Amino acid sequence: SYVMTQPPSVSVAPGQTATFTCGGDNIGSKSVQWYQQKPGQAPVLVVYDDDDRPSWIPERFSGSNSGNMATLSISRVEVADEADYYCQVWDTNYDIWKFGGGTKLTVL
Amino acid sequence: QVHLVETGGGVVQPGRSLRLSCEASGFIFSENAMYWVRQSPGKGLDWVATILHDGRRIFYADSVRGRFTISRDNSKNTLYLQMYRLRSDDTALYYCAKDAGYAQFPDFWGQGTLVTVSS
Repeated sequence: SYVMTQPPSVSVAPGQTATFTCGGDNIGSKSVQWYQQKPGQAPVLVVYDDDDRPSWIPERFSGSNSGNMATLSISRVEVADEADYYCQVWDTNYDIWKFGGGTKLTVL
Repeated sequence: QVHLVETGGGVVQPGRSLRLSCEASGFIFSENAMYWVRQSPGKGLDWVATILHDGRRIFYADSVRGRFTISRDNSKNTLYLQMYRLRSDDTALYYCAKDAGYAQFPDFWGQGTLVTVSS
């Protein structure tokens, strides 16, 4: 079945831009979602359909998707952004909803 | 606003059964697909099952197919997960989640209910 690869960790200083990658075979042909999960909390949708944001998510969060890589960027990173970030797709070939392994953001 | 409350978790012996419930409010339950997603301690998110709005189409992860049954009662705004023949690797926090539309991805999640399979 479809496999998505995320690096285990990303570290950035406050005010910098954090970039998360999600690799998958021709992932650019799929709709990618990103979820933020803070410790002890449920996941929160931060980007959907590659590059759309729910109304309650700040503009600092943005997404893109092309070829074999989808990307989530967080500009002007804050300590409050520390969390795990997961990418997600619906594999239409098998009707399976897949999550990447997640990337932990540390704000130095 | 959307509110999802999972109940039914607990400690259960391997091979036994357990039923989880998820009570929904704040949206038209009967118009949305729903999901169960689990998270083992310290691990990532793992999709379990999806049920479409009317319950007529259901999908399972290979790891639970034949052991778990997802269902819903639209008259009670409630989603269920009946789990049979539980194994230690089913130990996880089980989340229910609401579909955003067209059964492609969840947009709102409950806080989860913990299932521990242990002798």
